[in-house]
Amino acid sequence: EAGVAQSPRYKIIEKRQSVAFWCNPISGHATLYWYQQILGQGPKLLIQFQNNGVVDDSQLPKDRFSAERLKGVDSTLKIQPAKLEDSAVYLCASSLDRWSTNEKLFFGSGTQLSVL
Amino acid sequence: DQQVKQNSPSLSVQEGRISILNCDYTNSMFDYFLWYKKYPAEGPTFLISISSIKDKNEDGRFTVFLNKSAKHLSLHIVPSQPGDSAVYFCAARGSSNTGKLIFGQGTTLQVKP
Repeated sequence: EAGVAQSPRYKIIEKRQSVAFWCNPISGHATLYWYQQILGQGPKLLIQFQNNGVVDDSQLPKDRFSAERLKGVDSTLKIQPAKLEDSAVYLCASSLDRWSTNEKLFFGSGTQLSVL
Repeated sequence: DQQVKQNSPSLSVQEGRISILNCDYTNSMFDYFLWYKKYPAEGPTFLISISSIKDKNEDGRFTVFLNKSAKHLSLHIVPSQPGDSAVYFCAARGSSNTGKLIFGQGTTLQVKP
């Protein structure tokens, strides 16, 4: 079974530039998550989708971050304009269904973003 | 507001000995707890979980203990192996069951041969 695919693996940009990340979840997984992991911290949820609808985006900095999952499968996360403090690993995760008991999240390898 | 805390940033143990990683939480509504393991340049991978209705769950060398009254859980690895060297994250899910996981800061485990 293929895992969660993410691209690119690494990205270096200058502040105020824009950047986009792509994620393809495990086939059949209805729920998709974007997490931000800053060095030395645990992953923090940015946004959660159930199919193509947003379930939770309470911690997404909406003035600069946006995300979409138009067809309920793959997803893109965009930052525009980027700030120095956005330097982090952006992890995409998916799960079968958020309502399942004892549900597990499966993570991709992440995109390492460096903002200079 | 750090709802899930791993107060030890790092732990070093000898191969064959027991590794004990600790995690504290503040929200009594959490109903499900997980441990994830992360190697460099990879995403976290699921290791073991426990429901709040249990106090222990075992899977091979890994055992998770939950003390609800103390809002504390721990991961025991016995015996520890060099391949266990990684960052371990504790995570908790709220009973509203959106699936959202709240992670601790992580503990880096080094198992020395």
